Amino acid sequence: EIVMTQSPATLSMSPGERATLSCRASQSVGSNLAWYQQNPGQAPRLLIYGASTRATGIPARFSGSGFGTYFTLTISSLQSEDFAVYYCQQYNEWPPYTFGQGTKLEIK
Amino acid sequence: QVELVESGGGVVQPGKSLRLSCTASGFIFSKYGMHWVRQAPGKGLEWVAVLAYDGSNRYYAESVKGRFTISRDDSKNTLFLQMNSLRPEDTAVYYCTKGWDYADYWGRGTLVTVSA
Repeated sequence: EIVMTQSPATLSMSPGERATLSCRASQSVGSNLAWYQQNPGQAPRLLIYGASTRATGIPARFSGSGFGTYFTLTISSLQSEDFAVYYCQQYNEWPPYTFGQGTKLEIK
Repeated sequence: QVELVESGGGVVQPGKSLRLSCTASGFIFSKYGMHWVRQAPGKGLEWVAVLAYDGSNRYYAESVKGRFTISRDDSKNTLFLQMNSLRPEDTAVYYCTKGWDYADYWGRGTLVTVSA
């Protein structure tokens, strides 16, 4: 099973700042990685797939990068609605599909 | 627009059964693989099961294998999750999601609580 590890667990930032979230895989997943955002009390929504392709309707301030075992999600200028929990997920080798434990992005 | 609506959750005693449904609209259901993903209270996301678009392949997490069964009825655009021998650790919000690799759409989820 591929283990996904996200860091940091919590990131405290201010609106307008640039945020970088990390996700590491226990073995290579190529570019088969997705990022999801979950606001409190809501279902997750897809942000990024293929490590770097934004999903439909996702603002350009969200970008993904990486290949193999190390990936990042960058939010260029934080808006109030961006403070949420973010999950990465690998779909290269399954079952099981595996998620990271999440990074909570909170307002400083 | 794509919509996924889960139903069937509730409070159930350990060892009992429950059947979840997910009704889909806004896309050609029969062309897509579908998953169930769950989230225990205050916890992260856990993949549960996946079913291919044609029903030919299905896979399960080890934690539910032998107890849960994923199925679909394309005539009703509906995905199911039959859950037997439920345990307290199965308590979670259960989401159905569209897509074979990554989940491009999620339902709002249905809460399953396993408690005596």
